[in-house]
Amino acid sequence: ELKVEQNPLFLSMQEGKNYTIYCNYSTTSDRLYWYRQDPGKSLESLFVLLSNGAVKQEGRLMASLDTKARLSTLHITAAVHDLSATYFCAVDIGASGSRLTFGEGTQLTVNP
Amino acid sequence: DAGVIQSPRHEVTEMGQEVTLRCKPISGHDYLFWYRQTMMQGLELLVYFNNKAVMDDSGMPKDRFSAKMPNASFSTLKIQPSEPRDSAVYFCASSFAGDYGYTFGSGTRLTVV
Repeated sequence: ELKVEQNPLFLSMQEGKNYTIYCNYSTTSDRLYWYRQDPGKSLESLFVLLSNGAVKQEGRLMASLDTKARLSTLHITAAVHDLSATYFCAVDIGASGSRLTFGEGTQLTVNP
Repeated sequence: DAGVIQSPRHEVTEMGQEVTLRCKPISGHDYLFWYRQTMMQGLELLVYFNNKAVMDDSGMPKDRFSAKMPNASFSTLKIQPSEPRDSAVYFCASSFAGDYGYTFGSGTRLTVV
């Protein structure tokens, strides 16, 4: 059974600081996704990582994938309050378009 | 495109009542997923369809839950009888084979009292 684990589960940080969220998974896969969820809202796709060594950046967020280590990271640079949300990673081991298994989520709070 | 459309947005019902959640996927998407989100269990896959056929419903309590997709543009998730432990946010998502990742609907917040 595929397991996807994130850490930390809760992260409180000050504006302007840097931090990294980690996502480990238990089965070989070269497809990993990051989603953002604001309180009471749906999940919004942030990044799609499709190969070993893939790196994607959008604003203050950068995601990377190491398929050999079965590890993805979401790095936050110079955090701002608007980044406060819950971040989920998800892994896909089937054919494209098939089921995703989600991590527990990391609840990020950025304090002024 | 209006995205994945779910209804209702909120549902409050009494224990024992039947509840039906509805989902309209994005046009052209051939995969449809039903997830349940709770604080304790996180995001759990209940069932998913490919071209209207059930591919995996192992996450769905089959004694009270049923899912259908009578056509490519509509799916339902029915709970009968509902129980307080079914209280959760239910998300529908759709995707297209050959594409990657899902598009999620806004969710239905179900409260069973």
